[in-house]
Amino acid sequence: SQQGEEDPQALSIQEGENATMNCSYKTSINNLQWYRQNSGRGLVHLILIRSNEREKHSGRLRVTLDTSKKSSSLLITASRAADTASYFCATDARSGTSYGKLTFGQGTILTVHP
Amino acid sequence: KAGVTQTPRYLIKTRGQQVTLSCSPISGHRSVSWYQQTPGQGLQFLFEYFSETQRNKGNFPGRFSGRQFSNSRSEMNVSTLELGDSALYLCASSLTADLAYEQYFGPGTRLTVT
Repeated sequence: SQQGEEDPQALSIQEGENATMNCSYKTSINNLQWYRQNSGRGLVHLILIRSNEREKHSGRLRVTLDTSKKSSSLLITASRAADTASYFCATDARSGTSYGKLTFGQGTILTVHP
Repeated sequence: KAGVTQTPRYLIKTRGQQVTLSCSPISGHRSVSWYQQTPGQGLQFLFEYFSETQRNKGNFPGRFSGRQFSNSRSEMNVSTLELGDSALYLCASSLTADLAYEQYFGPGTRLTVT
């Protein structure tokens, strides 16, 4: 079952604009990760934020985490056409049997128009 | 450092056959996880191996199995293929099994069952 719910399901913007994607999850987590997937290919790791962190930056990416609301957001600033992809959040449950298991949201399809 | 490699990249099989997929993790990574991605179910966890031991298993039938070798390379096997097994199969490697570190994904094996 999918723990994460992502919003919006699809986002269409112009180059140079910012893109914000949101992710909600249901159970307590240790970490939350964001991934990008281009057209049915492998997942590219973007950023990991730990449960005791509230915000993290990496280049044009900014991730926030609110564990009280069980939600996270990914902001991509100054979007480029090359950012066109599907974006997924993934969580690992705070459980003794969660070895290696990430639970993914359904993803947000981002289209950046030149 | 080379990334995660998966072979073959594409595979076409008929119902009832069996298939073996291979994954070579990043050098030094000891944890390998497998995921199935379909349009309907999204990304779903299959199993995780660490030091040749299966530490965790997802909710898949026994037709799905795997193993890990002493060099951390992993294989997954699907027996008695069904049409619904058509999917992108992704493996991911990580330094450890506790998800404190990022999981790095390979390009995937696209399996089509006819």
